[in-house]
Amino acid sequence: GDSVTQMEGPVTLSEEAFLTINCTYTATGYPSLFWYVQYPGEGLQLLLKATKADDKGSNKGFEATYRKETTSFHLEKGSVQVSDSAVYFCAPLGSQGNLIFGKGTKLSVKP
Amino acid sequence: DTGVSQDPRHKITKRGQNVTFRCDPISEHNRLYWYRQTLGQGPEFLTYFQNEAQLEKSRLLSDRFSAERPKGSFSTLEIQRTEQGDSAMYLCASSSRTGPYGYTFGSGTRLTVV
Repeated sequence: GDSVTQMEGPVTLSEEAFLTINCTYTATGYPSLFWYVQYPGEGLQLLLKATKADDKGSNKGFEATYRKETTSFHLEKGSVQVSDSAVYFCAPLGSQGNLIFGKGTKLSVKP
Repeated sequence: DTGVSQDPRHKITKRGQNVTFRCDPISEHNRLYWYRQTLGQGPEFLTYFQNEAQLEKSRLLSDRFSAERPKGSFSTLEIQRTEQGDSAMYLCASSSRTGPYGYTFGSGTRLTVV
């Protein structure tokens, strides 16, 4: 069935460091892919998305590229800020029409 | 548009009691989803509706769980005979159509079974 594997956390970085959070998925066909973010005490928010192979989603300095060859959708940011501290979830759209979430990766950015 | 609203925000109940949660989606969204999230885990899919029709149910949704969306607008999720293992955050989300549009999530209802 459809599934997603996400890099285990927690990830602790210093401000302005480079961030990569790995995500790979197993799905039928080429599903749309999403990253969601959950800031402390808040609900899930859509961060970025990509709908087809080689698409690059971007928002707030974050980027992720849809790689169908490796079935991956890794999240990257060139220079993280303290305000980026949150839990990040990778989520492909499953064949049944519902999002399938990874376990989440907690990011802590230190000043 | 006030987004997706969930009520209550918090619920503490004794084991064996029944509880009901409500979700009001964004008004023009015809799809509504329920997820459950436990501490340190990602949201797990429970069920979803397109208009008033319940299209998919996860095997996580035991027979103690039931969801309705009677008029294709708000939805309720009822848990009967609650167990401690039901303690979790219950999330509702809505979307306007299938495909690459993502969901808008509510803030969730945190259930604690004591």
